[in-house]
Amino acid sequence: SQELEQSPQSLIVQEGKNLTINCTSSKTLYGLYWYKQKYGEGLIFLMMLQKGGEEKSHEKITAKLDEKKQQSSLHITASQPSHAGIYLCGADDSGGYQKVTFGTGTKLQVIP
Amino acid sequence: DVKVTQSSRYLVKRTGEKVFLECVQDMDHENMFWYRQDPGLGLRLIYFSYDVKMKEKGDIPEGYSVSREKKERFSLILESASTNQTSMYLCASSHPPQKTEAFFGQGTRLTVV
Repeated sequence: SQELEQSPQSLIVQEGKNLTINCTSSKTLYGLYWYKQKYGEGLIFLMMLQKGGEEKSHEKITAKLDEKKQQSSLHITASQPSHAGIYLCGADDSGGYQKVTFGTGTKLQVIP
Repeated sequence: DVKVTQSSRYLVKRTGEKVFLECVQDMDHENMFWYRQDPGLGLRLIYFSYDVKMKEKGDIPEGYSVSREKKERFSLILESASTNQTSMYLCASSHPPQKTEAFFGQGTRLTVV
């Protein structure tokens, strides 16, 4: 299975600031997923990207997949305390079974 | 509202015990997955199943087995629990033809003492 590297591992930002989380794959991605996890809970789906150059937005969160489909970024505009949690990128390298490999996660804290 | 339900949020077991973690989904999904999550290591896939009675090893299957007798239920079995299996266990399900996201349960935090 492929490896996904996320950076940074942790992030502390002041409320209202913008931030970016990166996810880099060792292989071309069939599909790239972004999830958010509140501490001690399950994962909540944010977005899925499949095409090179694709960009999706939901509320103040924007995710992009580069043309080569090996790198994705998640950008949060005007962060709020509700954005705090662990952000995980996941890659489907199974071509059909949706067997997703996850990065190690980025822990985000937003200080009021 | 779609749901993946794990039988326990917290579980404490003794070393050597046989442990069953149950997961039920109500979305008629073909695929089901078991992951474990550890600090610094992220989520790692233990086993997955793409149909009833079918199972495939993930990245870290050693010390685990699974059972899928019905489409909605996927069980993770620790044959003889060990302290290094103390972890957060997450179950997920997905519907492959639609190629959409996987839905996750709330997680089971297992402590083996």
